[in-house]
Amino acid sequence: EAGVTQFPSHSVIEKGQTVTLRCDPISGHDNLYWYRRVMGKEIKFLLHFVKESKQDESGMPNNRFLAERTGGTYSTLKVQPAELEDSGVYFCASSQFLRGGYTFGSGTRLTVV
Amino acid sequence: AQTVTQSQPEMSVQEAETVTLSCTYDTSESDYYLFWYKQPPSRQMILVIRQEAYKQQNATENRFSVNFQKAAKSFSLKISDSQLGDAAMYFCAYRSKSGSRLTFGEGTQLTVNP
Repeated sequence: EAGVTQFPSHSVIEKGQTVTLRCDPISGHDNLYWYRRVMGKEIKFLLHFVKESKQDESGMPNNRFLAERTGGTYSTLKVQPAELEDSGVYFCASSQFLRGGYTFGSGTRLTVV
Repeated sequence: AQTVTQSQPEMSVQEAETVTLSCTYDTSESDYYLFWYKQPPSRQMILVIRQEAYKQQNATENRFSVNFQKAAKSFSLKISDSQLGDAAMYFCAYRSKSGSRLTFGEGTQLTVNP
């Protein structure tokens, strides 16, 4: 069974540019989560999809972040325009059931310079 | 709101020795789940162990065990017979029984010395 795949694994962009992160969950997993870890801090929840619908987006920091999950398959997280404080590791996770165990991806390390 | 605190940013242990990582949390709920996740240098986070709050018995998975003290809101992870492959960032996490999102601590970087 393929795991949760995230790409790119690393991204370095300049402040003001746009970056799109992608997450491919495990096939059949309706629940998809995005989390972020800013350097040295705790991992924080960003949002939760159930299929293509946003179940909970209360963790999204501001309107520069846009998450989509078209067709309930893969998800993208776009940051536009990127700011220095957006640097960190962005994790995606999926689960089959609403309160089931998570499978995490390897994360995307975003550096904004 | 729930919070999770890991007071040890870094820990080290000699190979084959035992190490304990600390975690405390704050919640007003009576039923919930607690987790320890491990993130090796390859960066994929994997579940090490899980504890359900209503179960008094401490969870154990091979060399990994927890000391769950519900009244004290403490959830420490003990790694016995440490191996080089145990070197990783360890995160403690909380999840409400009724919810699906995780609340994480800041992590503890564990180094295993040969």
